[in-house]
Amino acid sequence: AQSVTQLDSHVSVSEGTPVLLRCNYSSSYSPSLFWYVQHPNKGLQLLLKYTSAATLVKGINGFEAEFKKSETSFHLTKPSAHMSDAAEYFCARVRGQNFVFGPGTRLSVLP
Amino acid sequence: DGGITQSPKYLFRKEGQNVTLSCEQNLNHDAMYWYRQDPGQGLRLIYYSQIVNDFQKGDIAEGYSVSREKKESFPLTVTSAQKNPTAFYLCASSIDRSTYNEQFFGPGTRLTVL
Repeated sequence: AQSVTQLDSHVSVSEGTPVLLRCNYSSSYSPSLFWYVQHPNKGLQLLLKYTSAATLVKGINGFEAEFKKSETSFHLTKPSAHMSDAAEYFCARVRGQNFVFGPGTRLSVLP
Repeated sequence: DGGITQSPKYLFRKEGQNVTLSCEQNLNHDAMYWYRQDPGQGLRLIYYSQIVNDFQKGDIAEGYSVSREKKESFPLTVTSAQKNPTAFYLCASSIDRSTYNEQFFGPGTRLTVL
């Protein structure tokens, strides 16, 4: 099945330390991939997207993600976490002409 | 401001009632989507529409209905046939259904069945 896996349901980091949120996809080809962020009781906001151009994608708010076909991964990173980064993060891929979303990773940032 | 609006923000329904959730966009997007969000399950696609007067079932369409009479509007009706409707509902749109185009989301409607 063409799916998306987010290995961690919850990640907790201290403010100022690096963030790593993991995403793996299952596919025999290189799909379009996206990362979205959702703050409580809000809609989703696009952080970045990969569409078969550069494998290292830079997004908003200092986030970036690297597409690794050999590992079928698209992990999201940020060098230094800020309190405002605390939110739910969703990895998504295109399946046919629709999106498939992972279950989400909740990021907590400790002072 | 361009964007997607959803109303109401909170909605309460008694069992056996139909309710309609509003979604409007002024982005001139062709494609619109409805998702249901439950804790720990990510987003699941209910219905989508590529063009006015056309819509398709998603993964969990049972108990829901939609219409697309205008390009900017895509209302979702939660019918009494939906067994467990309490959830957070998100509307989204994209320029078209090309695989390269991201979806833009509204702020959501939280539906609670009393």
